[in-house]
Amino acid sequence: QSVLTQPPSVSGTPGQTVTISCSGSSSNIGGHTVHWYQQLPGTAPRLLMYTGGQRPSGVPDRFAGSKSVTSASLAISGLRSEDESDFYCAAWDDSLNAWVFGGGTKLTVL
Amino acid sequence: QVQLLESGPGLVRPSETLSLTCTVSRGSMRDYYWTWIRQPPGKGLEWVGYMYTRGSTTYNPSLKSRVTISVDTSKNQVSLNLRSVTAADTAVYYCARGRGGSPSEHWFDPWGQGTLVIVSS
Repeated sequence: QSVLTQPPSVSGTPGQTVTISCSGSSSNIGGHTVHWYQQLPGTAPRLLMYTGGQRPSGVPDRFAGSKSVTSASLAISGLRSEDESDFYCAAWDDSLNAWVFGGGTKLTVL
Repeated sequence: QVQLLESGPGLVRPSETLSLTCTVSRGSMRDYYWTWIRQPPGKGLEWVGYMYTRGSTTYNPSLKSRVTISVDTSKNQVSLNLRSVTAADTAVYYCARGRGGSPSEHWFDPWGQGTLVIVSS
């Protein structure tokens, strides 16, 4: 059971918009920024979004992050087949004194 | 672009020590949180711990009694030692650079390619 809760899977068709949620508590998301990582099949994770909504260079603006109280969301618009991957949210947890990850969400592009 | 490359034995016997090295190239090691993260086969990510280049360390409480992370800036290397391993420690181990200034706000970028370690007799 992960400290941060993500849906195990989401799906959409090309061009659609999908949203991945990340639910936490006051000891993690409620008091700290959330980062998002993308893991393409068979590869290492890579930074997708940092400090809630900042994109590293090379990440298209189809990806957008937001946060509300103790939850965060990653929205992917204009869905493309190459977006098919696993997505993880992460935040620091004050109670555990540790970084915690969501369980991961597998995105399928139908 | 900084690059990270993990290396070490792919097979470790139960009760022994898992030792991995991460070699950092094309970049400075100063003022970053050098981090290890692991991923059991088919499962999610688990933060192992980090060492800040100025000397402080923070470990996952669930692993704290068994783990040591060290940084050797003269060799551009980050090391991980995990003692008394069991099959539950079988995972791909990733080295990552933590950047962003704060111990509780930094992000992991980039990541190494990862190395699979299997614990088995």
